[in-house]
Amino acid sequence: KAGVTQTPRYLIKTRGQQVTLSCSPISGHRSVSWYQQTPGQGLQFLFEYFSETQRNKGNFPGRFSGRQFSNSRSEMNVSTLELGDSALYLCASSLIDRDNEQFFGPGTRLTVL
Amino acid sequence: KQEVTQIPAALSVPEGENLVLNCSFTDSAIYNLQWFRQDPGKGLTSLLLIQSSQREQTSGRLNASLDKSSGRSTLYIAASQPGDSATYLCAVIPNTGTASKLTFGTGTRLQVTL
Repeated sequence: KAGVTQTPRYLIKTRGQQVTLSCSPISGHRSVSWYQQTPGQGLQFLFEYFSETQRNKGNFPGRFSGRQFSNSRSEMNVSTLELGDSALYLCASSLIDRDNEQFFGPGTRLTVL
Repeated sequence: KQEVTQIPAALSVPEGENLVLNCSFTDSAIYNLQWFRQDPGKGLTSLLLIQSSQREQTSGRLNASLDKSSGRSTLYIAASQPGDSATYLCAVIPNTGTASKLTFGTGTRLQVTL
């Protein structure tokens, strides 16, 4: 069974641009969560989607948004990029909800210049 | 607000040693706890999931215990190997709602030397 995949793996953008990251969950998994990892703040929860609906949201500004499609694939978008948005963005999938083990993808490394 | 702390922050041991990694959380109202490992620049690999009703879980050389009342979990690694070198993270899910939001610890960077 294929694991969680994320594309692209690496991105370089400049301040003010926007970016879209993609995540394909493990087949059959319906919950997708996004996390930001930085050396200073560690791993922080961005949001979670289940059945195309946002089920939970972290404390990030409105520049960070996401969505989930009917096939459970998810995208997150960051608009008006800032230098501080440079991070490893990780996607996790689980079967349904908090009862289930979460599996992470390899991440997308975003660098904002 | 839930805070998760891992001690020590870094650990270096010779190959073959048994070791214990600690995870503490401030709010004992958790639903479950998951341990992960992360290799440099990579994603997270799930090691063990402990449901709140369980006291421990085992997988191969790994054993994780959970004591909700004291807000602690430990990850025991037996007969450590150089391939175990990585950062180990614990994460908790709160006992509210159904969402899968993980709150992560600060991590323990483990190096196993030959």
